[in-house]
Amino acid sequence: EAGVAQSPRYKIIEKRQSVAFWCNPISGHATLYWYQQILGQGPKLLIQFQNNGVVDDSQLPKDRFSAERLKGVDSTLKIQPAKLEDSAVYLCASSSPLALAGGVARRDEQFFGPGTRLTVL
Amino acid sequence: RKEVEQDPGPFNVPEGATVAFNCTYSNSASQSFFWYRQDCRKEPKLLMSVYSSGNEDGRFTAQLNRASQYISLLIRDSKLSDSATYLCVVNRRNQGGKLIFGQGTELSVKP
Repeated sequence: EAGVAQSPRYKIIEKRQSVAFWCNPISGHATLYWYQQILGQGPKLLIQFQNNGVVDDSQLPKDRFSAERLKGVDSTLKIQPAKLEDSAVYLCASSSPLALAGGVARRDEQFFGPGTRLTVL
Repeated sequence: RKEVEQDPGPFNVPEGATVAFNCTYSNSASQSFFWYRQDCRKEPKLLMSVYSSGNEDGRFTAQLNRASQYISLLIRDSKLSDSATYLCVVNRRNQGGKLIFGQGTELSVKP
């Protein structure tokens, strides 16, 4: 089973520049999440989609961050303009109400992609 | 106060040692509980769910005390390959399955 795909894996930009990240969830997973993980901290949810609708974006800094999932599959997360404090790993995850992993059903398990490591200089 | 708090690390233990991680959560509406493992520069992966009755998976035992809002993870006979960061996670099902992560506790198992 293919996992969650993300690109790019690494990105270095200067402050005030724009950047976009892409995520392709596991096939058939209706729910997609974007997390921000700052060094030394646990991941923090930025936005959650159910199909192409937003379920929770309460912690998304909407003045500079935006995300979309137009066809209910792939998603993009954009930062414009970037600040130094945006340096982090951006993780995409997907889940299904009853997902199979290695032949074992795990209700609501979130599967994470490898992340995009963003450095803002 | 953070919603999920874990023991500050790092934990440095010899192979074969038993190590315990503690976690507390502040929101009584939390309904599901997990331990995730995150290797250096990798994504988090589910280690095990935590049930009220306690559950065991090989060398790993997880416990939940809802009254005290406390979760634990015990690793017996630790291996070098157990070296990672362990993340305590709670889920509020009435908020669309949102996961709240603790800051993680780093474990380093030495030969």
